[in-house]
Amino acid sequence: AQSVTQLGSHVSVSEGALVLLRCNYSSSVPPYLFWYVQYPNQGLQLLLKYTTGATLVKGINGFEAEFKKSETSFHLTKPSAHMSDAAEYFCAVSDPQGAQKLVFGQGTRLTINP
Amino acid sequence: GAVVSQHPSWVICKSGTSVKIECRSLDFQATTMFWYRQFPKQSLMLMATSNEGSKATYEQGVEKDKFLINHASLTLSTLTVTSAHPEDSSFYICSARDWGGSEAFFGQGTRLTVV
Repeated sequence: AQSVTQLGSHVSVSEGALVLLRCNYSSSVPPYLFWYVQYPNQGLQLLLKYTTGATLVKGINGFEAEFKKSETSFHLTKPSAHMSDAAEYFCAVSDPQGAQKLVFGQGTRLTINP
Repeated sequence: GAVVSQHPSWVICKSGTSVKIECRSLDFQATTMFWYRQFPKQSLMLMATSNEGSKATYEQGVEKDKFLINHASLTLSTLTVTSAHPEDSSFYICSARDWGGSEAFFGQGTRLTVV
């Protein structure tokens, strides 16, 4: 079975500051890992994903994440926060085999202070 | 990127009636579709997985007779909430994946309110 833990249900940073959203996963097989962003009353938009290859993954809107197998982590970062980054962020894991169902973390609400 | 269109974006219905939500893949063939339910300020809970032309696989605890899923074509899946009650009020989101793809694309979601 797979699971995802996002540390911190709410993160608040100042505009221009570093954004760090933490994600740890549990998986019995090499996983696929994803970060999604959700704005109010909308679906999910993919920020970035890790499947194989380079462990540092760059995504949209200046976000990146690093897959660290030894730490079972996939933390999301952005060097400089923008007001438009305020949203809910979900980390997810899937098994590359079979149906590839996504298992989501609890979500982290990111607030940007002016 | 691939587009998944979900309709309606919101619906209000009376208790006891049924509501159908559509999920369409606009520019790819969705061999697998997923239906999620999201309660306020919570994460997404997978309800069922459907493959085109076959019966949906429901997650434990999800009533298959209440949440009818049909995936009759490679571009359309529907979720019908039968005999809706206020406790069925929620945000429902679909996602779709094509054969061999590693990424699932999400619809915009449907806010269902049962009064």
